[in-house]
Amino acid sequence: SQQGEEDPQALSIQEGENATMNCSYKTSINNLQWYRQNSGRGLVHLILIRSNEREKHSGRLRVTLDTSKKSSSLLITASRAADTASYFCATDEGGSNYKLTFGKGTLLTVNP
Amino acid sequence: DAGVIQSPRHEVTEMGQEVTLRCKPISGHDYLFWYRQTMMRGLELLIYFNNNVPIDDSGMPEDRFSAKMPNASFSTLKIQPSEPRDSAVYFCASNTRGRDGELFFGEGSRLTVL
Repeated sequence: SQQGEEDPQALSIQEGENATMNCSYKTSINNLQWYRQNSGRGLVHLILIRSNEREKHSGRLRVTLDTSKKSSSLLITASRAADTASYFCATDEGGSNYKLTFGKGTLLTVNP
Repeated sequence: DAGVIQSPRHEVTEMGQEVTLRCKPISGHDYLFWYRQTMMRGLELLIYFNNNVPIDDSGMPEDRFSAKMPNASFSTLKIQPSEPRDSAVYFCASNTRGRDGELFFGEGSRLTVL
């Protein structure tokens, strides 16, 4: 079963706008990660946030985590055409399980 | 440093044939993961290894699938016999910290079974 579910499934914005993607999950976690995938390529890690953290920044990326709501959001500020890609959240299942499970992703299109 | 290397990048085969996908993880990484990606089911974890030992293969769809890691620098995923529903992109990923670190993905092997 899917642990993480991204929302929306697809998002289309203009260059310069901000893009926000959400992820919800079901069980307690140790950490949550966000990945990016360009068409026809492998996934690339963007950021990891631990369960005891509420917010994290990396360049134009801002990730929040609300463990009480079992949700996370990824904000990309001042988007660029090169940000066009699919974005996935990945969660572990807590405990000693070392598996990471991925949602189905949000397809972001940034129009120039 | 070279990243995770997968081969072949593309494979087209006929139903019933054996398919072998290969992966070379990043040197020094002791976790290796095999994922399958389809439009319908997204990314599914098939199996993962730690120090060459399979730890969790609960995602392997059925007995037609098998995976091995004979040494720290090589892993294979085999499908025998292949079926059209096995058509997908298969990704290999590695890291040094399991769930606590970022995964480094290969570029994937796109399998088409006719």
